[in-house]
Amino acid sequence: NAGVTQTPKFQVLKTGQSMTLQCAQDMNHEYMSWYRQDPGMGLRLIHYSVGAGITDQGEVPNGYNVSRSTTEDFPLRLLSAAPSQTSVYFCASRPLDADSNQPQHFGDGTRLSIL
Amino acid sequence: AQKVTQAQTEISVVEKEDVTLDCVYETRDTTYYLFWYKQPPSGELVFLIRRNSFDEQNEISGRYSWNFQKSTSSFNFTITASQVVDSAVYFCALTRFSGGYNKLIFGAGTRLAVHP
Repeated sequence: NAGVTQTPKFQVLKTGQSMTLQCAQDMNHEYMSWYRQDPGMGLRLIHYSVGAGITDQGEVPNGYNVSRSTTEDFPLRLLSAAPSQTSVYFCASRPLDADSNQPQHFGDGTRLSIL
Repeated sequence: AQKVTQAQTEISVVEKEDVTLDCVYETRDTTYYLFWYKQPPSGELVFLIRRNSFDEQNEISGRYSWNFQKSTSSFNFTITASQVVDSAVYFCALTRFSGGYNKLIFGAGTRLAVHP
């Protein structure tokens, strides 16, 4: 009963490095999304996907790339890490139903520090 | 634009006190959903409740209750007889009803500390 799995749980990067945050879900959910959580700002949507091959931008997409080659996986790529990207990142998924009211299932988060 | 405001940044109470967490939202949509999530110190996000814009009935689940008032655009959360295990950050969120492509708009969160 894995749900949404994020790896790694912690990561420290140097400015300018690139890395990929992994997210996998085993619930066959069509909708997947990435959020970042910063103090005093709640969670903000970075990118989302409504199915394999379909992605779109959220509120704060700059500096991040995503792809969705399978239903299960939705990796988030930092192209050139900046200190402003220090944050806790959450991946979430939910079924893509007709009335959009299903609550999202969240992973446990990835705590990322950029030095 | 859609917006969720949780004006209370931090609340501190003593165990067994009742506490209400405020949530005020803005939306132009006639159909929308509201959520509350709990984030305990361990960091995960736990779904608590969802409410659609057509259902203004209050809901009670054990010590938790929610008061949804469209007239004031509020969806407040009350914990009765608080316990130390209730200590967490609580997020209110609003989703836009749009053919399945909803996006969750979160408030900044309210940190609740319940002291023994």
